[in-house]
Amino acid sequence: ILNVEQSPQSLHVQEGDSTNFTCSFPSSNFYALHWYRWETAKSPEALFVMTLNGDEKKKGRISATLNTKEGYSYLYIKGSQPEDSATYLCAFFLSNFNKFYFGSGTKLNVKP
Amino acid sequence: GAGVSQSPSNKVTEKGKDVELRCDPISGHTALYWYRQRLGQGLEFLIYFQGNSAPDKSGLPSDRFSAERTGESVSTLTIQRTQQEDSAVYLCASSLSGTNPDTQYFGPGTRLTVL
Repeated sequence: ILNVEQSPQSLHVQEGDSTNFTCSFPSSNFYALHWYRWETAKSPEALFVMTLNGDEKKKGRISATLNTKEGYSYLYIKGSQPEDSATYLCAFFLSNFNKFYFGSGTKLNVKP
Repeated sequence: GAGVSQSPSNKVTEKGKDVELRCDPISGHTALYWYRQRLGQGLEFLIYFQGNSAPDKSGLPSDRFSAERTGESVSTLTIQRTQQEDSAVYLCASSLSGTNPDTQYFGPGTRLTVL
């Protein structure tokens, strides 16, 4: 069984706070890591596709970094807004298997 | 163009009944995945279709679960003799190519409740 772990499980922040959370994955046979945002009553939507060690991706106030050698990725949200409230999922793609292994997600709640 | 669609959006059934869930992937997407999320848990891989290759069924939890895909289009997930632990949101996703880990596009899910 391949473990993809996300922490924390949930996070409550005030509007305007910056926050970050972690996705940990096996460092061997890495192929790609995806981040998804899953808002309540909606479908998960892709945020980032990361493939190279040292990758940094940014979309507006959200950014992500990747360290494949030590097996982790960080997602950062600068100046959180209530509309950022969602569950953030990471998915690890192993080169030997054509499927994704998802973490259990970090549920973010941003209070106005 | 249209995204991934799933039907029904909600299904309530009695224990022991069979259910069939449907997924229409994005046209041209060769890869199709089924996942489920039970209450309080993460996304659990069920099955993966890639073109005309044999599907990867390694995530199916029991022989009560089966899935089919017609070519590179519609897929159906069938659960026979449903049990209460089958209650979950069942998500379907498609991507352009499964061998290259392209972005997955998810459907809205089917919420299955087994009474």
